[in-house]
Amino acid sequence: SYDLTQPSSVSVSPGQTARITCSGSVVTNQYARWFRQKPGQAPVVVIFKDNERPSGIPERFSASTSGSTVTLTISGAQFEDEADYYCYSATGDNRGIFGGGTKLTVL
Amino acid sequence: EVQLMESGGGLVQPGGSLRLSCAASGFTFRTYWMTWVRQAPGAGLEWVANIAPLGDVSYYADSVMGRFIISKDSAKDSLYLQMNSLRGDDTAVYYCARWHFWTPDHWGRGTLVTVSA
Repeated sequence: SYDLTQPSSVSVSPGQTARITCSGSVVTNQYARWFRQKPGQAPVVVIFKDNERPSGIPERFSASTSGSTVTLTISGAQFEDEADYYCYSATGDNRGIFGGGTKLTVL
Repeated sequence: EVQLMESGGGLVQPGGSLRLSCAASGFTFRTYWMTWVRQAPGAGLEWVANIAPLGDVSYYADSVMGRFIISKDSAKDSLYLQMNSLRGDDTAVYYCARWHFWTPDHWGRGTLVTVSA
């Protein structure tokens, strides 16, 4: 079975760069996505296909891939970025898988 | 504007059944894959099932295979999840989402299913 591994938590000071990693055998640049979820809300995609940002997602959000690890980078993190972040990948057989989630704290 | 609204959640006893619905609007429902994702209390996201645009092909997570059935009615722009033989670990908020470029790109607000005696 497939598995995506994320750190459970990441902390960063406001204005600093936050990096959240996601590792797994199915992770590729083609299929990797990132979601943000704030308490009591549905997840929202922040990185779409080909590292695109949906409308309304700030430029400070970006993603990169190295081998079987994708990294979400938030350059100049803001208090409003504090949330749970999930990586996601399609598995190539019309299924999907999420990472365990990373709680980002901005303090 | 893409909108998705789930309904049908509630309290059900272990071994019972429940049918969730998701009303879609703002896009051509019949041409999209759709998906269900769930989130247990205090836990992460779990992909549950996908269904092809015509409703003729579907895929399931191992945890629900043989118990859940995903379906869609394009005449009603509606997605469904029939859940049978429910267990305590099925307790979760269930989200429906549009699946676009292999991604759940638009989500509903979710509906809570609680399995408890």
